[in-house]
Amino acid sequence: KNEVEQSPQNLTAQEGEFITINCSYSVGISALHWLQQHPGGGIVSLFMLSSGKKKHGRLIATINIQEKHSSLHITASHPRDSAVYICAVKRGPDKLIFGTGTRLQVFP
Amino acid sequence: KAGVTQTPRYLIKTRGQQVTLSCSPISGHRSVSWYQQTPGQGLQFLFEYFSETQRNKGNFPGRFSGRQFSNSRSEMNVSTLELGDSALYLCASSLVAGITDTQYFGPGTRLTVL
Repeated sequence: KNEVEQSPQNLTAQEGEFITINCSYSVGISALHWLQQHPGGGIVSLFMLSSGKKKHGRLIATINIQEKHSSLHITASHPRDSAVYICAVKRGPDKLIFGTGTRLQVFP
Repeated sequence: KAGVTQTPRYLIKTRGQQVTLSCSPISGHRSVSWYQQTPGQGLQFLFEYFSETQRNKGNFPGRFSGRQFSNSRSEMNVSTLELGDSALYLCASSLVAGITDTQYFGPGTRLTVL
């Protein structure tokens, strides 16, 4: 079993829909990162969380440390949100462990 | 500010050769981390450098090594290349050590081993 599990693996949506991507982990962590990877390979860091909730534009990330679970929400989705979203947890002093990613496609 | 740059962007090598990849962090960033991404294993942590010192290393064989220079630029080296080393190699920089800060990723170097 992977230490970091994401669901769903693939997600399709119509423009304007509300999207939720989930990340569960089985190890103790000090922080969780949400990353976005576009088809060309470039990765953008969206959020780093250690507790609670963060919002940036149409993106919202939450984390529940007790339940070892985080969610990434996209409100009013748009085709430009199409990408792979990756959850990564910081375990130990200096290491990130990555989930396998959620491939999102938003159609107009 | 210029972003993280990686050179070269694409590289083709044959088995048994060695390769050196370069990463220039954002100005002022002293931490550089390296990652390998393959279709089968996904993203995996290779190592992190801060102030010319390796802080931690992932589960990779000794063929994978790196270093960081006084200007924070970093290089990673893979010796005796194997077919399975074909991957996208990404580096990321941040202000502080320990991956406790936002990571800024470079565009990656795509290595193909024939």
